[in-house]
Amino acid sequence: QSALTQPASVSGSPGQSITISCTGTSSDVGSYNLVSWYQQHPGKAPKLMIYEASRRPSGVSNRFSGSKSGNTASLTISGLQAEDEADYHCCSYAGSSTWVFGGGTKLTVL
Amino acid sequence: EVQLVESGGGLVKPGGSLRLSCAASGFTFSTYIMNWLRQAPGKGLEWVSSISTSSNYIYYGNSVKGRFTISRDDASNSLYLQMNSLRAEDTAVYYCAGDLSSAAAAYWGQGTLVTVSS
Repeated sequence: QSALTQPASVSGSPGQSITISCTGTSSDVGSYNLVSWYQQHPGKAPKLMIYEASRRPSGVSNRFSGSKSGNTASLTISGLQAEDEADYHCCSYAGSSTWVFGGGTKLTVL
Repeated sequence: EVQLVESGGGLVKPGGSLRLSCAASGFTFSTYIMNWLRQAPGKGLEWVSSISTSSNYIYYGNSVKGRFTISRDDASNSLYLQMNSLRAEDTAVYYCAGDLSSAAAAYWGQGTLVTVSS
């Protein structure tokens, strides 16, 4: 169960769009459309933002979108807002009912 | 309102044991796959264990297999994690979480801190 690869940090200005990548292997991201993304503010529990690669749970802003191509999944946040500043974690189903996470990406809104 | 409340964390010596509990309310607990996840200080999330409805299927991450045991009591809407042979690297905030879909936890507790240190 090797970890997925995410950039340590990304940044953007209010109103801009940013994309966070999440690279796995053919055993996890590449084999299943079961990638999820979590937003985590400091000292808080994670919040599910995207599941099944591109689906948004009820109540999540449509500024958040997800996609997947091959072994890489991506989270795009459009119209950046100050409250989007947080850590973002990707996760993939890895077979045999196991999950694997990335190391997390710190988003800074400039 | 969905609520998950973890308890049972604390300071324990290496080799010791601890039992975490998670009390659920606001949703039909018995129909959800439940999970334990953890986050070491300053690190990313790590999946620990999952338990299916009716406890038919149980899975563990490699780092805890053979030492941790997940269980549930649908009558009391509770999830548990028995942790034995604890190591320093088990130090983390432990979260219980309910599945929306495979590898997608929609409901989260606030977490409980486990510190393994002599």
